[in-house]
Amino acid sequence: GAVVSQHPSRVICKSGTSVKIECRSLDFQATTMFWYRQFPKKSLMLMATSNEGSKATYEQGVEKDKFLINHASLTLSTLTVTSAHPEDSSFYICSAMPTSGLYEQYFGPGTRLTVT
Amino acid sequence: QQQVKQSPQSLIVQKGGISIINCAYENTAFDYFPWYQQFPGKGPALLIAIRPDVSEKKEGRFTISFNKSAKQFSLHIMDSQPGDSATYFCAAIVYSSASKIIFGSGTRLSIRP
Repeated sequence: GAVVSQHPSRVICKSGTSVKIECRSLDFQATTMFWYRQFPKKSLMLMATSNEGSKATYEQGVEKDKFLINHASLTLSTLTVTSAHPEDSSFYICSAMPTSGLYEQYFGPGTRLTVT
Repeated sequence: QQQVKQSPQSLIVQKGGISIINCAYENTAFDYFPWYQQFPGKGPALLIAIRPDVSEKKEGRFTISFNKSAKQFSLHIMDSQPGDSATYFCAAIVYSSASKIIFGSGTRLSIRP
């Protein structure tokens, strides 16, 4: 089956620093990847849609300069949380949509970010 | 209206029983309705999905019932097992809208042994 990985799985950083999270599709190419944020016991909130070779599309209320997204290849998208603050602590999940697919999206295992 | 409403928020079912989770939507442009299962600390995984031209889809112990006129759909888990304890999200997608997934609020299912 289609596998999506995320790295790191957990990260703790100090307030003011930047953190990069990688999302990789391991056995398929993904023109489109999505980034979500999930608070405890809550649903997934779409942050942005990432398309290979073009700028990401951010959802309303999501700060573009704070959450930098780069989709450098058909198998890799990165999310950089810049100047992180404690309120950025959350579970970040990516999903990847196969280039050949219509609706299917495969989710990564998530990255737990804790900002101290 | 993009919202997908899901109920109940939490559900406790005895082992061997039937678990039922309900969802309703407003946007008739939705053309794909997946259900996701999520275990604590993990990403969601696709469980089963249905298109609006089908009234029911069954895969093993999992069945989706779809009522297009009422704009409602539900997940039935037959012979529920402790390993089914997880959070379940219904969702809806409009393919023309860049395939964004609109998630329901989630149902925390606990199966009592």
